[in-house]
Amino acid sequence: AQKITQTQPGMFVQEKEAVTLDCTYDTSDPSYGLFWYKQPSSGEMIFLIYQGSYDQQNATEGRYSLNFQKARKSANLVISASQLGDSAMYFCAMREFGNEKLTFGTGTRLTIIP
Amino acid sequence: NAGVTQTPKFRILKIGQSMTLQCTQDMNHNYMYWYRQDPGMGLKLIYYSVGAGITDKGEVPNGYNVSRSTTEDFPLRLELAAPSQTSVYFCASSYKLVHEQYFGPGTRLTVT
Repeated sequence: AQKITQTQPGMFVQEKEAVTLDCTYDTSDPSYGLFWYKQPSSGEMIFLIYQGSYDQQNATEGRYSLNFQKARKSANLVISASQLGDSAMYFCAMREFGNEKLTFGTGTRLTIIP
Repeated sequence: NAGVTQTPKFRILKIGQSMTLQCTQDMNHNYMYWYRQDPGMGLKLIYYSVGAGITDKGEVPNGYNVSRSTTEDFPLRLELAAPSQTSVYFCASSYKLVHEQYFGPGTRLTVT
């Protein structure tokens, strides 16, 4: 069964610093995808970045990068040069290929301090 | 291109009442999903659809029903509302099963 663990319920980071949000996962399927979503206080879910289990390189999207360590089953999100607008809940999610279910972690609340 | 839209944004129901949460997407996505998000938790899949006329249960389907008569619309029906159904409901769609899902703004439902 697929499972996602986010061990940081909350983080405070100084503006302009880099921040790493932790995510570990568990699956017995060799084919899967990992996703990060941002949920601001307004409530919508915003897709940030995707990493496939067979991708050779770590995914990057602007200031977001995914530190994918397959052997350790971790998929940490790195946000460079944090901004006040980055304050939000961040969810890690995983789907095993061929499985419709997208499993979410419990999230990390990130607060950027001016 | 509005993406995924949901109505209503907020609703208060009495126990035993029924309602339909509407969801529409204009991206021509085949795959559509309904999730619920309880306070302090991630999202849990209620129902999903892989195309018009095809629906299937997710992780927490009890107390809900869905239909998919068109590619664009995927309404979620609550027949006999219970306090345990107080939650925020998100509709989402994706082009393919393995692609990222695009979410609607959510419906905050309270059952009292």
